[in-house]
Amino acid sequence: EIVMTQSPATLSVSPGERATLSCRASQSVSSSLAWYQQKPGQAPRLLIYGASTRATGIPARFSGSGSGTEFALTISSLQSEDFAVYYCQQYKNWPPWTFGQGTKVEIK
Amino acid sequence: QVQLVESGGGVVQPGRSLRLSCAASGFTFSTYGMHWVRQAPGKGLEWVAVISHDGTYEAYADSVKGRFTISRDNSKNTVFLQMNSLRAEDTAVYYCAKELKQLVDYWGQGTLVTVSS
Repeated sequence: EIVMTQSPATLSVSPGERATLSCRASQSVSSSLAWYQQKPGQAPRLLIYGASTRATGIPARFSGSGSGTEFALTISSLQSEDFAVYYCQQYKNWPPWTFGQGTKVEIK
Repeated sequence: QVQLVESGGGVVQPGRSLRLSCAASGFTFSTYGMHWVRQAPGKGLEWVAVISHDGTYEAYADSVKGRFTISRDNSKNTVFLQMNSLRAEDTAVYYCAKELKQLVDYWGQGTLVTVSS
């Protein structure tokens, strides 16, 4: 089973600032890496797939990078609606599909 | 647009059973794999089960293997999760999710299952 590890657990950022979230896989997942956003009381929403491709309707301020075992999600200028929990997930080696434990982006 | 609506959650005693349903619309259901993913209160996401578009392939997380069964009815655009021998640690919001090329791209709003005596 591939273990996904996200850091930091919590990121405190001011509106308008840049945020960078990290995700590490225990073995290579190539580019089979997705990022999801989850707001309180809501279902997750797909942001990024293939490590760097934005899903339909996702603003350009969200970008993904990396391959192999090291990945990053960058939000270039945080808006109020971006404060949420973000999860990475690998879909290279399955089952199981595995998620990171999440990074909470909170208002500083 | 894609819609996934889960139902069947509730409070159940340990050791009992529950069957969740997920009604899909807005896409050609019979051509996509479907997943169940759960989230315990205040915790992260845990993949539970997957079924292929035609029902010929199923897979389960080790934590539910032998207790949970995923199935689908393509004539009714519905996927099910039969949960037997429920335990307190199965308490979670259960999400139904659509797959696209091994990736989960759409999620339902979830249904809460609480296992408690």
